[in-house]
Amino acid sequence: DVKVTQSSRYLVKRTGEKVFLECVQDMDHENMFWYRQDPGLGLRLIYFSYDVKMKEKGDIPEGYSVSREKKERFSLILESASTNQTSMYLCASSSRQVGGLYEQYFGPGTRLTVT
Amino acid sequence: SQQGEEDPQALSIQEGENATMNCSYKTSINNLQWYRQNSGRGLVHLILIRSNEREKHSGRLRVTLDTSKKSSSLLITASRAADTASYFCATEYNFNKFYFGSGTKLNVKP
Repeated sequence: DVKVTQSSRYLVKRTGEKVFLECVQDMDHENMFWYRQDPGLGLRLIYFSYDVKMKEKGDIPEGYSVSREKKERFSLILESASTNQTSMYLCASSSRQVGGLYEQYFGPGTRLTVT
Repeated sequence: SQQGEEDPQALSIQEGENATMNCSYKTSINNLQWYRQNSGRGLVHLILIRSNEREKHSGRLRVTLDTSKKSSSLLITASRAADTASYFCATEYNFNKFYFGSGTKLNVKP
């Protein structure tokens, strides 16, 4: 059974704290993604990684950084958490095949509250 | 924005009825996918349709794609209470990168 796991389901942090969100996939996927989901805005791509140590900015990278030291693990870092980063954070992974299926497998999400 | 947008935003039907939701997008796509999200959970992939396909079926799901109108529809036939969820379309606008719409919230009443 394929799986994407996220380190926490719920997290409460204070403004200014450094926050780490961890994501692990067991499918040997090349691609990994971090999204945030807010009511009425859908999912917005924060960062994307297509290989170890490789990353690309998504639509809303400001205030975030990422780390991918191992193929199975993709971390999202909030350098200095702010209240406008209160959101649901979703991690996903997919294989990278030209002409193949690109369906994304999602983790259960981390609901982050910054106070 | 290239984002796919679903319509309607919310839909409430009785069990056994069919549910139709639509997705519109703005630019050329490689493929379009539909996902389901149960309340407070991650998304689950339902079906993928490539840009050169017009219709695809999977169980009780039927997806159509009209690239000339830049739109897609998802039909769930004989709906069940367990189909209650939010449904999202995702358009691949660049190799392996997707835009997701804001979703249609479907409520199936028993």
